[in-house]
Amino acid sequence: DAGITQSPRYKITETGRQVTLMCHQTWSHSYMFWYRQDLGHGLRLIYYSAAADITDKGEVPDGYVVSRSKTENFPLTLESATRSQTSVYFCASRGPYEQYFGPGTRLTVT
Amino acid sequence: QKEVEQNSGPLSVPEGAIASLNCTYSDRGSQSFFWYRQYSGKSPELIMSIYSNGDKEDGRFTAQLNKASQYVSLLIRDSQPSDSATYLCAGVYNAGNMLTFGGGTRLMVKP
Repeated sequence: DAGITQSPRYKITETGRQVTLMCHQTWSHSYMFWYRQDLGHGLRLIYYSAAADITDKGEVPDGYVVSRSKTENFPLTLESATRSQTSVYFCASRGPYEQYFGPGTRLTVT
Repeated sequence: QKEVEQNSGPLSVPEGAIASLNCTYSDRGSQSFFWYRQYSGKSPELIMSIYSNGDKEDGRFTAQLNKASQYVSLLIRDSQPSDSATYLCAGVYNAGNMLTFGGGTRLMVKP
């Protein structure tokens, strides 16, 4: 099916562990984004990518790493998870005019 | 600092009424705006986009943009309980490639 998917949908991990959240889109959109959403903070941009091999920091990049070797994939890695990274993570891609979101990953860091 | 501001609500309206959601923005360079609806536990879903001054209607939804006053609004006519959600306003910046989101307004439609 065309669209944008994220995996896993739910993840529980321990403090200090590395975890990677996956994002895949089938539209061949150039721009892709990672947001986190927390109560009281709304949607905050973590990283974005304008094309394969082009990434840049957003508002809250500390503790996260991204890569984009292929247009359709944009994984987000938490190198050493902390409790403050417990959140809902949304991937998005931008078409010619509008931005579309994936279903989200709920991450809990214990 | 590019900002989009929304009243967090909740905005409570009776079923069948018009719900009016508002958003103000600080970046005069923003040209386009979007309204997203987000149900609890779900991802934001695009429901309206508006690119020029004036009104844009789509079914029960009307988006309004007033660039002189720097505000955007979303009207929902004949509100239904299924419209109960958080509505996010977003403005475009960075040559149209990035969105700045407001904090969202929670709408409650009571039967």
